[in-house]
Amino acid sequence: NAGVTQTPKFRILKIGQSMTLQCTQDMNHNYMYWYRQDPGMGLKLIYYSVGAGITDKGEVPNGYNVSRSTTEDFPLRLELAAPSQTSVYFCASSYYGAWDEKLFFGSGTQLSVL
Amino acid sequence: GIQVEQSPPDLILQEGANSTLRCNFSDSVNNLQWFHQNPWGQLINLFYIPSGTKQNGRLSATTVATERYSLLYISSSQTTDSGVYFCAVEDGTASKLTFGTGTRLQVTL
Repeated sequence: NAGVTQTPKFRILKIGQSMTLQCTQDMNHNYMYWYRQDPGMGLKLIYYSVGAGITDKGEVPNGYNVSRSTTEDFPLRLELAAPSQTSVYFCASSYYGAWDEKLFFGSGTQLSVL
Repeated sequence: GIQVEQSPPDLILQEGANSTLRCNFSDSVNNLQWFHQNPWGQLINLFYIPSGTKQNGRLSATTVATERYSLLYISSSQTTDSGVYFCAVEDGTASKLTFGTGTRLQVTL
């Protein structure tokens, strides 16, 4: 049981480049999330999904896009990378409606935009 | 949106000591969770505790929803307890958690 898997673990981008952060979970969770964590700070929600085909914006969605074609996968797309997107990105999932709606995180992607 | 404040921001303990971390929130919540981020950055869920008290080994948590706070107790601390402890709450919108800024704990020998 792998849980929440993110790839890549590290990436350096040049300003203006694009990339996709991959996230997959094998726990049959209906809800999935993308958070970013800036140095010394808490986590901020970028986008979330309540099920396949349904996505919505979080607190800091500008510069990002998401899709959710399957229950398992929730990729995050960065278009025209900017230095302000340098951060650690975490994917997470939970089973909303369960008696215990714990949030499980992937191991994170450290992204630098130079 | 809902505000989450954690205290203290930093804490240094000697191994074996006990500690209490506090999380205050500004509105009623449907969901409250505590997380530990270890020095390698991994986030581990400690408790799902929108109300009441739970215990897991040396850790326990209590949420008093009517007074809008939660406490995380760490007893007999170990160096492996070092890291940042986050409280996160959800105020009723699609299980979107809002995170506090964390308590950074260092346990020394």
